[in-house]
Amino acid sequence: TQLLEQSPQFLSIQEGENLTVYCNSSSVFSSLQWYRQEPGEGPVLLVTVVTGGEVKKLKRLTFQFGDARKDSSLHITAAQPGDTGLYLCAGGGSSASKIIFGSGTRLSIRP
Amino acid sequence: GAVVSQHPSWVICKSGTSVKIECRSLDFQATTMFWYRQFPKQSLMLMATSNEGSKATYEQGVEKDKFLINHASLTLSTLTVTSAHPEDSSFYICSVRQGPGNTIYFGEGSWLTVV
Repeated sequence: TQLLEQSPQFLSIQEGENLTVYCNSSSVFSSLQWYRQEPGEGPVLLVTVVTGGEVKKLKRLTFQFGDARKDSSLHITAAQPGDTGLYLCAGGGSSASKIIFGSGTRLSIRP
Repeated sequence: GAVVSQHPSWVICKSGTSVKIECRSLDFQATTMFWYRQFPKQSLMLMATSNEGSKATYEQGVEKDKFLINHASLTLSTLTVTSAHPEDSSFYICSVRQGPGNTIYFGEGSWLTVV
């Protein structure tokens, strides 16, 4: 069974600080996605990484896919209250393969 | 615009009754759809993979007789929670993968409250 473990589970930091969220698995994934979810809504895709060692940037967010394609990280620079939410990593295989979600990281940014 | 539509968004039902949730792919055909359940402050848990024209594939620990999935057409999958109990109250959400990049699209989700 493929599992994705995220750490930390909860994170509360002050506005302006930096943070990193980790997503780890013992399985290899053909791609990993990162999502942000607001309460009562569906997840919103932030990024997809497909190549081992790949780094993608989305404004203040930097995503990295591990060389072995078993892990990924999300780094947020100068966090803002608008970054508050549930961050989920998800991994899957081919087009018909199911997508497995990580355990989630609940992020709270204090003004 | 929306790629996947879910209905209803909210539903309250009495304990012991059954509730049906629909997931529709808009403007494209989906031979496979995925159903997730999410309890408050938790991640999404995959319940089952809905396969058009064949039986759904359930994840370990998910009761197939309680959570009936029907994927009778290429644009519609339904999840029926049978004999619902308060512990079935949750956020249910469907998704499909579509396009050359296998982009994942989620429905809006359905809040189920069993009283």
